[in-house]
Amino acid sequence: AQSVSQHNHHVILSEAASLELGCNYSYGGTVNLFWYVQYPGQHLQLLLKYFSGDPLVKGIKGFEAEFIKSKFSFNLRKPSVQWSDTAEYFCAVNARYNFNKFYFGSGTKLNVKP
Amino acid sequence: EAGVAQSPRYKIIEKRQSVAFWCNPISGHATLYWYQQILGQGPKLLIQFQNNGVVDDSQLPKDRFSAERLKGVDSTLKIQPAKLEDSAVYLCASSLGGPGNTIYFGEGSWLTVV
Repeated sequence: AQSVSQHNHHVILSEAASLELGCNYSYGGTVNLFWYVQYPGQHLQLLLKYFSGDPLVKGIKGFEAEFIKSKFSFNLRKPSVQWSDTAEYFCAVNARYNFNKFYFGSGTKLNVKP
Repeated sequence: EAGVAQSPRYKIIEKRQSVAFWCNPISGHATLYWYQQILGQGPKLLIQFQNNGVVDDSQLPKDRFSAERLKGVDSTLKIQPAKLEDSAVYLCASSLGGPGNTIYFGEGSWLTVV
């Protein structure tokens, strides 16, 4: 069965610290990979996505993620976090040739202390 | 461009009562998803429609949950009778439907069952 694992459930950082959130998936077919963010009181929004090509993808607000196929991972990074990055982050895997199904991880809550 | 619309935003009901949620996807989006997000967990797919046909409803508790998407546009998710464990946010999302298309979420319908 397909699954998405986010090992960090709650991360607390100070402003300007570097961030890396882990995401691993299990799926045998071709996948597209996404990170979604949910700011307090808002709906889920797309942060960045990987379809093909350069495995290092850049998204909004200075976030980036690296797809490592051999490790089935798609970790999210940001060199220097801001207080406004406080949110919950969800990794998602899309089964490209399986009716566009999406599977989400359990999420990581990020608290950035000012 | 208008986003995914959901209503009602909030609902409190007693157990064994019924509730219905409505979703209007982004215009032109063929695929519509209903997710359940319990506090502290990631979104769990309940049902996925492609136009007005069901692609996946394997995780829909069919003894109490039902969903329909008439004419391939709007959708309704119904719970009858509700249980305490149904307290969650019900997220509607839509996508164009092609392989790897991004899905866009509505703001969700918060259900509390007391």
